[in-house]
Amino acid sequence: ILNVEQSPQSLHVQEGDSTNFTCSFPSSNFYALHWYRWETAKSPEALFVMTLNGDEKKKGRISATLNTKEGYSYLYIKGSQPEDSATYLCALGVNYGGATNKLIFGTGTLLAVQP
Amino acid sequence: AAGVIQSPRHLIKEKRETATLKCYPIPRHDTVYWYQQGPGQDPQFLISFYEKMQSDKGSIPDRFSAQQFSDYHSELNMSSLELGDSALYFCASSLGVSSYNEQFFGPGTRLTVL
Repeated sequence: ILNVEQSPQSLHVQEGDSTNFTCSFPSSNFYALHWYRWETAKSPEALFVMTLNGDEKKKGRISATLNTKEGYSYLYIKGSQPEDSATYLCALGVNYGGATNKLIFGTGTLLAVQP
Repeated sequence: AAGVIQSPRHLIKEKRETATLKCYPIPRHDTVYWYQQGPGQDPQFLISFYEKMQSDKGSIPDRFSAQQFSDYHSELNMSSLELGDSALYFCASSLGVSSYNEQFFGPGTRLTVL
């Protein structure tokens, strides 16, 4: 059974602070690592899909890095804003020979940014 | 841009009743996934379809079945509902079957079983 873990479980920061969270996953059978942003009462919104060791992706103030050899990914938010408040989910894309991939989700990190 | 559509958004059923959830993928997406998220839990993969054929199966109970139709929409049929089936059910779609492909999620159907 694959286990995807995220830490911390929740995070409270002040507006303007920079922050980062971790996603850990088994390094064997790695296919892809997805990051999603999920606001309450909305559907998860895809942020990044990363596939190669050393990948770095950036979207505005949010960036992510990937280390497939040691099995972790970091998500960074620079200068947090109240609208960044959401749950950030990582998901491991796996394919065991089926025709499609499925995602194994982590437990999420709940970010609250206070004005 | 068109997104994934799920209906209904909310559903209340009694124990032992049946429920049907519908998912309309983004136009031209050929792959549909179903996930179940119980209270305080991570989303769990249930089942997926590619080009109208079931392609992968996760932790879906035998009481549940699903299919993908010729127009690529999918339906999740749930019978003999139990209290533990109360959850948020997400549908996602993607173009292609690779693990690298982004999955786009619908807003979810919240099922409450009384």
